[in-house]
Amino acid sequence: LAKTTQPISMDSYEGQEVNITCSHNNIATNDYITWYQQFPSQGPRFIIQGYKTKVTNEVASLFIPADRKSSTLSLPRVSLSDTAVYYCLVGDPYNQGGKLIFGQGTELSVKP
Amino acid sequence: EAQVTQNPRYLITVTGKKLTVTCSQNMNHEYMSWYRQDPGLGLRQIYYSMNVEVTDKGDVPEGYKVSRKEKRNFPLILESPSPNQTSLYFCASSLSGLGNNSPLHFGNGTRLTVT
Repeated sequence: LAKTTQPISMDSYEGQEVNITCSHNNIATNDYITWYQQFPSQGPRFIIQGYKTKVTNEVASLFIPADRKSSTLSLPRVSLSDTAVYYCLVGDPYNQGGKLIFGQGTELSVKP
Repeated sequence: EAQVTQNPRYLITVTGKKLTVTCSQNMNHEYMSWYRQDPGLGLRQIYYSMNVEVTDKGDVPEGYKVSRKEKRNFPLILESPSPNQTSLYFCASSLSGLGNNSPLHFGNGTRLTVT
């Protein structure tokens, strides 16, 4: 199972771009990389998912280098409402017999 | 609306009194799983189910039971709750398929307090 490492916390200001990097050195060939956002007392919510290169949707971009040993979630022009915990998850239940391991997550604090 | 529904949202109980937390999804997902979340420990998987009648232990299964008699429901059972099971619990589901890149969909959580 791929283990992930992220910074425990990050601070930013409104309007800035925030980049959160996740390390996953033992990622398997079939593993996807998925990022989730969690607000207090709510379930994690899917943000973006990718396999390689770059993926962009309406809320974020995901950059994955060729070796896939890390990935970077990019949040453009953050606002106060982006204050949350962000989790990087590597793998797919059906490639790993069902087990999934979440890392500690990155607590992002956006200040005015 | 596609969703994962957990009930109850809040539950206070006493040590040893059996309880069940329900989880239901309306997306026809094959994979379902339960997690507990504690401060400083992140999300830890309790049990998971790859399909109906197929369940297996996650990282912290002690003191919990699950069942998967039908695809949409995956209840979490605490036969004899103890204070160390006080936690925030989440149920999640995802679509099946080897290599499928379907993300997890989470419920809104159940905050359990065992006194």
